[in-house]
Amino acid sequence: AQSVTQLDSQVPVFEEAPVELRCNYSSSVSVYLFWYVQYPNQGLQLLLKYLSGSTLVKGINGFEAEFNKSQTSFHLRKPSVHISDTAEYFCAVSDKGAQKLVFGQGTRLTINP
Amino acid sequence: DTAVSQTPKYLVTQMGNDKSIKCEQNLGHDTMYWYKQDSKKFLKIMFSYNNKELIINETVPNRFSPKSPDKAHLNLHINSLELGDSAVYFCASSPYRTGGYYEQYFGPGTRLTVT
Repeated sequence: AQSVTQLDSQVPVFEEAPVELRCNYSSSVSVYLFWYVQYPNQGLQLLLKYLSGSTLVKGINGFEAEFNKSQTSFHLRKPSVHISDTAEYFCAVSDKGAQKLVFGQGTRLTINP
Repeated sequence: DTAVSQTPKYLVTQMGNDKSIKCEQNLGHDTMYWYKQDSKKFLKIMFSYNNKELIINETVPNRFSPKSPDKAHLNLHINSLELGDSAVYFCASSPYRTGGYYEQYFGPGTRLTVT
């Protein structure tokens, strides 16, 4: 069964510093990969997705992620974070053609001034 | 022009009661889902419906019964509520395109507290 591991449960960084949130998934022939953000007391918002093609995908709010098939990873990065990026970030994967999204445990990103 | 909406946003009730949560999407998607997010923020799929047909039922107690009157609505009815049912329940929808299912769009969530 598909599984997703987010290696850090919490990541504190200073404002304007770069950040990387790590995500690894169990191997499968073809997968779709997603990052979602959940701001406090809100629903999940899609940040970006990898379906096929270029392994570097850009999303909203200046985030990007790189799909690495050999390492089964899909790490999320931002070169300079803002206080408003404070939120919970979820990596998710689905087998190509499947309805089911499997989520990682989430990473809480805290931005310190 | 809310894409996926849920009602109510908060639900506080006592053990043993029966309650329902409603979900509506105006995105024209064929597929809808219910997820449960526990106190540790872990998200797990409960059900999915495709055009009113149940597709996924993930080892959920049969006290939980989803109902889809049409492809824009998916409701969740819970019988005999237990303390462990306290969680945030999210509705989601996704489009189907050639090649499979893609991103899911989530509602704002319903925070259920059972006392």
